[in-house]
Amino acid sequence: EVQLVQSGAEVKKPGESLKISCKGSGYNFATFWITWVRQMPGKGLEWMGVVYPGDSDTGYGPSFQGQVTISADKSINTAYLEWNSLKASDTAIYYCAAGYNYGYAAFDIWGQGTMVTVSS
Amino acid sequence: QSVLTQPPSASGTPGQRVTISCSGSSFNIGSNYVYWYQLLPGTAPKLLIYRNSQRPSEVPDRFSGSKSATSASLAISGLRSEDEAVYYCAAWDDSLSGPGVFGGGTKLTVL
Repeated sequence: EVQLVQSGAEVKKPGESLKISCKGSGYNFATFWITWVRQMPGKGLEWMGVVYPGDSDTGYGPSFQGQVTISADKSINTAYLEWNSLKASDTAIYYCAAGYNYGYAAFDIWGQGTMVTVSS
Repeated sequence: QSVLTQPPSASGTPGQRVTISCSGSSFNIGSNYVYWYQLLPGTAPKLLIYRNSQRPSEVPDRFSGSKSATSASLAISGLRSEDEAVYYCAAWDDSLSGPGVFGGGTKLTVL
């Protein structure tokens, strides 16, 4: 079965660092772009950025450039989303997604989401 | 403020046909494919439409998509109670707003 499995929920304090993960299985992880998507409480979906695990090429949405780091380790089929210094406004559900069956831009495979809560 | 503009809400009664619009620009919808996703509470988004009007095999043919110039639409016919969800359009973007953008989402209520 083709799937993406994300790391579990996190509760952090402002200023702390965090790295969440997205592990792919059932397909050639290195050859499919992974996209990260944010959903803040009560808000819509936001396109954060992408990574190509094969060569770790990345791209960021303008609101996220410099705020997060997206990376991947193809040897363990895992993509990452990382913060150096969390803010309360980073509280959200974070999804990873991949376009597997219908092209790289059609996200038909999604992780279950990782809830990140940042609170003092 | 989302780069792609959707109405915040839509509604219909069971059996009706509803349409959700998505307006963009030459940088996104005008030059790239449009995708539609359904978001049910507590679940990950589900791909409904890809490449403007194509439907994944598991999506019922009650769902259809279209695109014209810098706008796109999602139509749902034979509305059912389980269609109550938030619907998002998405597209890749060739401007500094990219690499990709979502609409603000449309909450569909089945009355």
